Amino acid sequence: GAVVSQHPSWVICKSGTSVKIECRSLDFQATTMFWYRQFPKQSLMLMATSNEGSKATYEQGVEKDKFLINHASLTLSTLTVTSAHPEDSSFYICSAIGQGRTEAFFGQGTRLTVV
Amino acid sequence: AQSVTQLGSHVSVSEGALVLLRCNYSSSVPPYLFWYVQYPNQGLQLLLKYTSAATLVKGINGFEAEFKKSETSFHLTKPSAHMSDAAEYFCAVFGNQFYFGTGTSLTVIP
Repeated sequence: GAVVSQHPSWVICKSGTSVKIECRSLDFQATTMFWYRQFPKQSLMLMATSNEGSKATYEQGVEKDKFLINHASLTLSTLTVTSAHPEDSSFYICSAIGQGRTEAFFGQGTRLTVV
Repeated sequence: AQSVTQLGSHVSVSEGALVLLRCNYSSSVPPYLFWYVQYPNQGLQLLLKYTSAATLVKGINGFEAEFKKSETSFHLTKPSAHMSDAAEYFCAVFGNQFYFGTGTSLTVIP
């Protein structure tokens, strides 16, 4: 199957700093990428949907100025957590869908800890 | 609107026993349905998917699921549980985005 690479897998940062998470589709063109947040023992919560070259569509309650999403190319989307706070600590997962496809491929996730 | 409901947040089975994880969907259009597995601190891995072809779908690792329109169900089964099957399982329906169930944690007892 197709491969989506998410980097970094783990990151610890100080409160107030910004963290960038990358999501790359390695062997297909991802027309749409999704960013999820997952709390312990819970399901995935969709944060935003991004289409290449367009502004991301954020779900209700997600601060777009805090969670900056860029989908500048068909193989790369980034999520930047700005001015991170301890409550932003979570597991973030991206997924990507190719044009005309219904199957999403998921990155391995990023464990963010803000101290 | 589309949604999925997973019955049972925790399921425990003995090694070698039948695994049955339940998922019911709600969709106003013919659905695309998926089962994903998640191991600790990892992303989601596709087990199988239903896209309106055969109603009995076979996936990886010996899992299969049957689409039953009359019951609006897409339950996941495996005849014989293995220790390595212990993980979190998510049912999902795809519309313009993926809608995930709340997940079922599978424990396999040796």
